[in-house]
Amino acid sequence: EVQLVESGGGLVQPGRSLKLSCAASGFTFSNYYMAWVRQAPKKGLEWVATISTSGSRTYYPDSVKGRFTISRDNAKSSLYLQMNSLKSEDTATYYCARQGTTGHFDYWGQGVMVTVSS
Amino acid sequence: DTVLTQSPALAVSPGERVTISCRASESVSTGMHWYQQKPGQQPKLLIYGASNLESGVPARFSGSGSGTDFTLTIDPVEADDTATYFCQQSWNDPTFGGGTKLELK
Repeated sequence: EVQLVESGGGLVQPGRSLKLSCAASGFTFSNYYMAWVRQAPKKGLEWVATISTSGSRTYYPDSVKGRFTISRDNAKSSLYLQMNSLKSEDTATYYCARQGTTGHFDYWGQGVMVTVSS
Repeated sequence: DTVLTQSPALAVSPGERVTISCRASESVSTGMHWYQQKPGQQPKLLIYGASNLESGVPARFSGSGSGTDFTLTIDPVEADDTATYFCQQSWNDPTFGGGTKLELK
């Protein structure tokens, strides 16, 4: 059974940093692109980052480019999101997701809440 | 960015057929996918590649379309289908529609 379990969320002040982790199991982690998708309270979904199987290629939308860094450790079947210079608009539930070959997200974690507030 | 537009809400009776639409601001070929999200839960993939049913998803769900206009159909609708449905395109950097909240009468 595919499982994705996020951790590392919490309350952080604007301008500070936070690192999210996602532990994957039930599939060969190194064979899949992985991604982070977020959802602000009562809002829609926003793609945040994608990383290739080896980690050599990363992709971001303009809203987080230069502030967020996605990385992975295939030996540990783990995905990470380093978030710097956090803003109030980054407040959201962050989901770790496995990305399929056609660009869809076929498995999602339960999500972790990040609140950016003073 | 490719903008995806969905109608905000629909209300139908159990047993009826419902179609949920998604319009893209530019062609995305068949790079369109559909998700179901219930309150307090993570999204669940229903349809990928515009018309391919994800494994384990009931055959009551189907998808169609290409280019800029796409449809998710549920036939027949059941009470458990109460949820918000999102479309997502992958032809360009991924973007999602605003979601359609499906309520049952």
